[in-house]
Amino acid sequence: GQNIDQPTEMTATEGAIVQINCTYQTSGFNGLFWYQQHAGEAPTFLSYNVLDGLEEKGRFSSFLSRSKGYSYLLLKELQMKDSASYLCAVGDSNYQLIWGAGTKLIIKP
Amino acid sequence: NAGVTQTPKFQVLKTGQSMTLQCAQDMNHEYMSWYRQDPGMGLRLIHYSVGAGITDQGEVPNGYNVSRSTTEDFPLRLLSAAPSQTSVYFCASSYSQEGRISYGYTFGSGTRLTVV
Repeated sequence: GQNIDQPTEMTATEGAIVQINCTYQTSGFNGLFWYQQHAGEAPTFLSYNVLDGLEEKGRFSSFLSRSKGYSYLLLKELQMKDSASYLCAVGDSNYQLIWGAGTKLIIKP
Repeated sequence: NAGVTQTPKFQVLKTGQSMTLQCAQDMNHEYMSWYRQDPGMGLRLIHYSVGAGITDQGEVPNGYNVSRSTTEDFPLRLLSAAPSQTSVYFCASSYSQEGRISYGYTFGSGTRLTVV
């Protein structure tokens, strides 16, 4: 079957660094995606990894290991506005996105 | 530059009623899809379309119908609402190139549906 696992909730302090992990088992692989979703709003695209390694985009970085079925999203210099849910998704063999349940990130002052 | 427009934002239905959730995009995206989002679960694909006149079922299609008569519009119809269809519904669109869908989906703002 297809499965994407990520922690349900994480708490971090403003200004700190947090790493959100995602493991996956899917039929086929056409990239791993991270989306951000603020409460009551639509998801917005953050990052895309198709090759192993680290992709950096400002304060956010995303890492992929295809052999381990593992990815993480790294958020640096946390700001209160980073409080949101972070959704991990994998493109399967039919080019559809399979979504994890999301990680709710709580930032404390 | 509206992006993806979903209406209504909120709706309460009685069991057995039918309704249509509207979705329109002005980006000339070929790919459009409908998801439902429930607490503790990932987004689940209901139906999708890769172009006008073409639709296909996703993971949870039962109780829903779609049509795609134009590139811009992709309405979702609830045939006979049930409490299990209480959820937040998102429409998403993306461009495709040589049949491959870009995963940088643009989402609508969502419809919060309650069936009582």
